[in-house]
Amino acid sequence: DVKVTQSSRYLVKRTGEKVFLECVQDMDHENMFWYRQDPGLGLRLIYFSYDVKMKEKGDIPEGYSVSREKKERFSLILESASTNQTSMYLCASSFGGDRGANEQYFGPGTRLTVT
Amino acid sequence: AQRVTQPEKLLSVFKGAPVELKCNYSYSGSPELFWYVQYSRQRLQLLLRHISRESIKGFTADLNKGETSFHLKKPFAQEEDSAMYYCALTLGYNKLIFGAGTRLAVHP
Repeated sequence: DVKVTQSSRYLVKRTGEKVFLECVQDMDHENMFWYRQDPGLGLRLIYFSYDVKMKEKGDIPEGYSVSREKKERFSLILESASTNQTSMYLCASSFGGDRGANEQYFGPGTRLTVT
Repeated sequence: AQRVTQPEKLLSVFKGAPVELKCNYSYSGSPELFWYVQYSRQRLQLLLRHISRESIKGFTADLNKGETSFHLKKPFAQEEDSAMYYCALTLGYNKLIFGAGTRLAVHP
């Protein structure tokens, strides 16, 4: 059974703080993703990684960075948190390959509030 | 530009009624489409994908390339179907574009 875990379910941070969101998967997946989920906007891709130390920007990367030092771990970093980054953050992982899309497995989400 | 449109934010039906959740896409290549579902207090999970052409929990979805649609259907809704449903289109590297989502509420 695929397990994607996220370090926190709820997080409250102050404006300007540096915030780390951690995601770990145990299925040896090549791909890992960070989304934010907002009502009326659905899921929007922030960054993804298709291999260790490899990353690509998604649709809304501004204000975020990522780190993937190990295959199983993908971190999302908010360098200086702002109130408009208050959201639900979802991590996902999937097998790699270029022969069509593989199922993405999601973590439980981290609800971040920036005050 | 690639886009997934789910025109309804909320779909409210009674138990036993037919359900159709609409999804339209814009994509110049050969599309691969999915439906993901999120039940209350559960994580987002795959419901079905068009290439498998299977029925999951009584739901089916047919890809209509002429109408660029991938509507999700179920003939008789159940209360346990109440959830948030997202249509998604795949791009390269297994990336997905999600629609805004439709909340399905099935009333007794």
